[in-house]
Amino acid sequence: EVQLVESGGGLVQPGGSLRLSCAASGFTFSSYYMHWVRQGPGKGLVWVSRINNDGSSTSYADSVKGRFTISRDNAKNTLYLQMNSLGAEDTAVYYCGRQRSSGSSLFDYWGQGILVTVSS
Amino acid sequence: QSALTQPRSVSGSPGQSVTISCSGTSSDVGNYEYVSWFQHYPGKAPKVIIYDVSERPSGVPDRFSGSKSGNTASLTISGLQAEDEADYYCCSYAGRYSWMFGGGTKLTVL
Repeated sequence: EVQLVESGGGLVQPGGSLRLSCAASGFTFSSYYMHWVRQGPGKGLVWVSRINNDGSSTSYADSVKGRFTISRDNAKNTLYLQMNSLGAEDTAVYYCGRQRSSGSSLFDYWGQGILVTVSS
Repeated sequence: QSALTQPRSVSGSPGQSVTISCSGTSSDVGNYEYVSWFQHYPGKAPKVIIYDVSERPSGVPDRFSGSKSGNTASLTISGLQAEDEADYYCCSYAGRYSWMFGGGTKLTVL
């Protein structure tokens, strides 16, 4: 059974940092592109970042570029999102998701999400 | 990177059909066959119901269908059921390895 489980969320002060993790199981993690998406309170889903299967290629939404870093450890079957210089606008539930293949828009599995709250 | 444009809400009675539009530009929806639709219940993981404009993942009822014309994609739900009441989001590839979601549409089953 495919499972994606996010962790590492919590309360952080403005300007602070946090690293989210997404533990993957039930599939060959190293074969899939992975994404982070977030949903702020009362807002819609927003794409945050994507990484290819071997970690050699990453991309980011303009709103997080230069502050967030996506990475992965295929030996540990884990996806990461390092978030720096956090602001109130980054308060959201963060979801990790799997993209079935690079040539498809099939995002077939998602985690349950982890809450990040940026507040003093 | 502006969000794709969706109606904030739509509604329909059980058994009826509803269509949700997703308006983009020639740089995203209009330029790629990579549009997906998600059903999202608050506090739950998003669920893909349509991908690559009109493909349905296994297990998704054929009441859900997708299409695209120019810069606008559409999701049609026929034979509305009470459990279809949820938030729906479109998502499109926007080039240079980036993706874009719509603002979301709340479907109410009357």
